[in-house]
Amino acid sequence: GAVVSQHPSWVICKSGTSVKIECRSLDFQATTMFWYRQFPKQSLMLMATSNEGSKATYEQGVEKDKFLINHASLTLSTLTVTSAHPEDSSFYICSASKWQGTSRTEAFFGQGTRLTVV
Amino acid sequence: SQQGEEDPQALSIQEGENATMNCSYKTSINNLQWYRQNSGRGLVHLILIRSNEREKHSGRLRVTLDTSKKSSSLLITASRAADTASYFCATVLTDSWGKLQFGAGTQVVVTP
Repeated sequence: GAVVSQHPSWVICKSGTSVKIECRSLDFQATTMFWYRQFPKQSLMLMATSNEGSKATYEQGVEKDKFLINHASLTLSTLTVTSAHPEDSSFYICSASKWQGTSRTEAFFGQGTRLTVV
Repeated sequence: SQQGEEDPQALSIQEGENATMNCSYKTSINNLQWYRQNSGRGLVHLILIRSNEREKHSGRLRVTLDTSKKSSSLLITASRAADTASYFCATVLTDSWGKLQFGAGTQVVVTP
């Protein structure tokens, strides 16, 4: 199956600093990627849709100036958590799916990034 | 808001038993997918069932979809300790470009 690689797998940063998380599709081109956030013992919540070559689409309640998304190539999307605070500590996961004819395949997920802000 | 509701929230069974979990959703879907997540890890895709399908099998997994009731079920037969994980259903809404709306998840513990 397709592989989506996420980096780093975990990061600890100081409050007020910014953290960048990368999501790569290794063996397919992903014009669209998705970013999710998961708090402990909760489900995944969609944060934004990352579109190659254009602006990301954010879900309601997600601050676009705080969570900067860049999708500069067909295989790479980045999520930057700016001025991180302890409440941003969470598990961030990206996903991408492929086009199969006129429909999309199942989503392939990265390994996730556990962010801890101290 | 989350699209799917799952029940039970937690399930504890012994090896060899079957595990059944259910998922309900609210609006029209393109397809429904089931994922598995081990603690603190990424998600692993299990099965995708399209809106025009009613049942699908994959190894020890059986998924049903009832679009009239807007519900799906995942059955794991002859469970193993290695099946211990959280299981999530996720729906792909019509015209949603493939983005997933996740249910709350069912935490399954299989004891040897």
